[in-house]
Amino acid sequence: GEDVEQSLFLSVREGDSSVINCTYTDSSSTYLYWYKQEPGAGLQLLTYIFSNMDMKQDQRLTVLLNKKDKHLSLRIADTQTGDSAIYFCAESVMNDYKLSFGAGTTVTVRA
Amino acid sequence: NAGVTQTPKFQVLKTGQSMTLQCAQDMNHEYMSWYRQDPGMGLRLIHYSVGAGITDQGEVPNGYNVSRSTTEDFPLRLLSAAPSQTSVYFCASNQNNEQFFGPGTRLTVL
Repeated sequence: GEDVEQSLFLSVREGDSSVINCTYTDSSSTYLYWYKQEPGAGLQLLTYIFSNMDMKQDQRLTVLLNKKDKHLSLRIADTQTGDSAIYFCAESVMNDYKLSFGAGTTVTVRA
Repeated sequence: NAGVTQTPKFQVLKTGQSMTLQCAQDMNHEYMSWYRQDPGMGLRLIHYSVGAGITDQGEVPNGYNVSRSTTEDFPLRLLSAAPSQTSVYFCASNQNNEQFFGPGTRLTVL
């Protein structure tokens, strides 16, 4: 939606790190999410971060949150061909389960 | 648990036809929602429900109706399909701020 913005495309070489960026406008955003969508499939929750955190790491995934700049990023270490997908950033407010999504970043991993 | 299930997977309608997209979840989640996904626009919320008997409109509700007679089921009805409703529809349920999505229904309206 208009409240969440992402770049549309990212191309990365296999083995390199990928960084997907997202900006949001709602200062009351409490939860920020990253979803992965593979071709023809639904959305898979990768990770989420609460707004009182500035970093979260989960295996190859690192989420960084800059609340002052309303900027969220997802870093994928050692990117593999199976990481090729569309990645969506989304935000919600505490106790309101409605999600606002970005348009999605299509990540292409090349050999 | 089967999670969130949706039927059908694919559907083609003619303009003016009606149909119901089915959604069910077996996780006893109170909150359920419907989104549509269009190229370059991410997902947009159509309708949502915070529990049985309670529904509300999202960002793009026009042309769609919902009902929530049970915790498990949350069907989406198109009363008179229009080509602008060609899209991929996702149902989701939510617990503890984690939203679980179904596999989607790809709808084409001719």
